[in-house]
Amino acid sequence: QSVLTQPPSVSGAPGQRVTISCTGSRSNIGAGYGAHWYQQLPGTAPKLLIYGDTSRPSGVPDRFSGSKSGTSVSLAITGLQAEDEADYYCQSYDSSLSGVVFGGGTKLTVL
Amino acid sequence: EVQLVESGGGFVQPGRSLRLSCAASGFTFDEYDMYWVRQVPGKGLEWVSSLSWNSVKKDYADSVKGRFTISRDNAKNSLYLQMNSLRAEDTALYFCARGATFSLDYYMDAWGKGTTVTVSS
Repeated sequence: QSVLTQPPSVSGAPGQRVTISCTGSRSNIGAGYGAHWYQQLPGTAPKLLIYGDTSRPSGVPDRFSGSKSGTSVSLAITGLQAEDEADYYCQSYDSSLSGVVFGGGTKLTVL
Repeated sequence: EVQLVESGGGFVQPGRSLRLSCAASGFTFDEYDMYWVRQVPGKGLEWVSSLSWNSVKKDYADSVKGRFTISRDNAKNSLYLQMNSLRAEDTALYFCARGATFSLDYYMDAWGKGTTVTVSS
């Protein structure tokens, strides 16, 4: 059971918009610790996609965006493309655990 | 270009030890916190340990506390993970990652490709 809760899977057709939720608690996202998103393509290492809830590293397309509300964050992907098919993980810091925590991951399928 | 290259993984019996290394290049190593993250094949990411740039702050996941030790040699641009009393559940792909810390943001902005650890009799 992960500290951050994500849906196991989401899907969408090319060109559509999908969102992936990540729910935390008052000791992590709700405490103000930043939430971050990683994309892991099959057989590769994770790649930073969003940091600080809403910021994109250079090189990440603006089709990817992050938002935050209370103890939850969301990743939105617009204009879905076949190459977006991957696993997506949210991550934050938890003050009760004194360490980094990850969500269980969400598998995105592009139909 | 930032590069992180893990090594030291392998096949080991339960109860034995293994030391992982991570060679860093392309950035000023001693300015960054560093992390170890693992992933069981087909499963999610699990934070293992983190170490501050000056080795003052070390944190461990409960699952490895007391068995694993993180360390670094800034002169050699290297990060290490000493893993003792290994268990079958430690079997995973171990990633080394560069940390980014700003205010209340703790995240990883560069990752190695990982090294595989298999614990089995």
